[in-house]
Amino acid sequence: KAGVTQTPRYLIKTRGQQVTLSCSPISGHRSVSWYQQTPGQGLQFLFEYFSETQRNKGNFPGRFSGRQFSNSRSEMNVSTLELGDSALYLCASSWTGTGVIRGEQYFGPGTRLTVT
Amino acid sequence: QKEVEQDPGPLSVPEGAIVSLNCTYSNSAFQYFMWYRQYSRKGPELLMYTYSSGNKEDGRFTAQVDKSSKYISLFIRDSQPSDSATYLCAMSSSGGYQKVTFGTGTKLQVIP
Repeated sequence: KAGVTQTPRYLIKTRGQQVTLSCSPISGHRSVSWYQQTPGQGLQFLFEYFSETQRNKGNFPGRFSGRQFSNSRSEMNVSTLELGDSALYLCASSWTGTGVIRGEQYFGPGTRLTVT
Repeated sequence: QKEVEQDPGPLSVPEGAIVSLNCTYSNSAFQYFMWYRQYSRKGPELLMYTYSSGNKEDGRFTAQVDKSSKYISLFIRDSQPSDSATYLCAMSSSGGYQKVTFGTGTKLQVIP
């Protein structure tokens, strides 16, 4: 069974631009969560989508948004990029999301975003 | 102050050593405690999870939770070079969908 895939793997953008990252979950998984990983803050939860609806949201500004399609694929968008947005963005999928508290989520390899 | 604190390391040990990795937390509502391993250029993968207090063993790995002290540990026995990775603790409260709060991770290097 194929794992979680994320595209692109690496991205360089300039301050003020916007970016869209894509995540394809494991087949059959309906919940997709997004995280930002930085050395100082670690993994921070951005948001979770289930059946095309945002079900949970972390403490990030409105510049960070996402969506989920009917095939469970998800995208996240960051508008007006800032230098501090440079990070590894990880996507994780799970069946329904309720098993996440027991670690039942599977991470993709991430998209490394560098903002210059 | 962060809800979950974890020493970032790096921690360097000789092959065969016993490794102790630790996290402290402040949120008494946390009931589920997880340890993830993350290799370079990969996403985190679950090693094990524990519910509430107590110990759990899986091969060379043992997880301990002390809720009274708000302190969790992961022990790795007979450490191997293949154990070199970043180890992340993670926690969550119970009830429906609950977001997971991660530590910043401890980088471990096992020297052959």
